[in-house]
Amino acid sequence: AQSVTQLGSHVSVSEGALVLLRCNYSSSVPPYLFWYVQYPNQGLQLLLKYTTGATLVKGINGFEAEFKKSETSFHLTKPSAHMSDAAEYFCAVSMNSGYSTLTFGKGTMLLVSP
Amino acid sequence: DTEVTQTPKHLVMGMTNKKSLKCEQHMGHRAMYWYKQKAKKPPELMFVYSYEKLSINESVPSRFSPECPNSSLLNLHLHALQPEDSALYLCASSQDSGGYGYTFGSGTRLTVV
Repeated sequence: AQSVTQLGSHVSVSEGALVLLRCNYSSSVPPYLFWYVQYPNQGLQLLLKYTTGATLVKGINGFEAEFKKSETSFHLTKPSAHMSDAAEYFCAVSMNSGYSTLTFGKGTMLLVSP
Repeated sequence: DTEVTQTPKHLVMGMTNKKSLKCEQHMGHRAMYWYKQKAKKPPELMFVYSYEKLSINESVPSRFSPECPNSSLLNLHLHALQPEDSALYLCASSQDSGGYGYTFGSGTRLTVV
């Protein structure tokens, strides 16, 4: 079984400030971890993913996330927020096993103010 | 081609209508998925096709009928829907069913009137 908890349904930052979106997971086997972004009335776009290997993962649009097994976390960060980063962000997990599906967290809406 | 294409982008249908949503990918992926997403909620899995066979049906009502004609195409046939079925329907594909790297389409916004 697997699950994802995203802390905070809304996060507000000022333009240029650090973005930190929190994600904790639960998985009975080594996980695959993902961050997706969704702009209004659009589908989901993959920001980055962790499968195996390096625990610091760099993605698109300046985002990165670090897999911390001891903390069962996969928090998403960006050093400097841009207005165009305002969107819904979903953390997701699947299991590194022969058969698995993607389980999403409830999402975090990132609000960026000028 | 690294995209999943969904048509139509918007659909308005009456409760007695029959319509179909289409999804296409040319990445050679062998697993395809239908998700339903209500406003301000995460996507919810509906169906999984693996190697063109239905492998998961998440207790979806029979008014939703999936079809996978070949490895590149996925359809969702709709009949006698209810207003509460109005949602964004997302298609996704992955290399196989091992939970690695889903690619999502942009979705079909369905409104049932």
